[in-house]
Amino acid sequence: GAVVSQHPSWVICKSGTSVKIECRSLDFQATTMFWYRQFPKQSLMLMATSNEGSKATYEQGVEKDKFLINHASLTLSTLTVTSAHPEDSSFYICSARDGGFGIKLGQFFGPGTRLTVL
Amino acid sequence: GENVEQHPSTLSVQEGDSAVIKCTYSDSASNYFPWYKQELGKRPQLIIDIRSNVGEKKDQRIAVTLNKTAKHFSLHITETQPEDSAVYFCAASGNSGYSTLTFGKGTMLLVSP
Repeated sequence: GAVVSQHPSWVICKSGTSVKIECRSLDFQATTMFWYRQFPKQSLMLMATSNEGSKATYEQGVEKDKFLINHASLTLSTLTVTSAHPEDSSFYICSARDGGFGIKLGQFFGPGTRLTVL
Repeated sequence: GENVEQHPSTLSVQEGDSAVIKCTYSDSASNYFPWYKQELGKRPQLIIDIRSNVGEKKDQRIAVTLNKTAKHFSLHITETQPEDSAVYFCAASGNSGYSTLTFGKGTMLLVSP
């Protein structure tokens, strides 16, 4: 249980293009999903908290117009990196928290998306 | 906000030895402390967690201890194996885990055969 998928697993794009990353909870309902960014050999940095049916809450320093988050259903959240630039290249990981009746504490992570912007 | 410090940043042990990773947190309201294991290029995996109403939790070779007064918690791995080699992250959260997680900077554990 508590499986989270993420797609795509890796993407290479040209500077200026937009990239959409999907995060899905496969066997539970996730009222809350989180988007992290991880640079090589560094920790996970929270970018935003995504709540189903409402606007995402962004961490300080994260541009909400650049990193668009949509959480339209209890099993899907998307992160769109708009007008990507080389400095946006990173490992993006989502996580989901079980909001169902059989609540499991902790966050369960997707496999991550490696974004490379040329 | 919460601040989590993690030590050491790297840890090398021989197979069969024990490994201990320590974390401190700043917010006394934090009451949920998970530990994640991340292998290179892969997702973080929850390996054990502890709530503030207990002082210790054990799962086979892995144990976590919590000292609320001192605001620190530790991960203990006994009888280490090469497959334990990975980066380990501690984290802290308030509201029984429903608040956001604040992660430590990670510890790279290398277990040599």
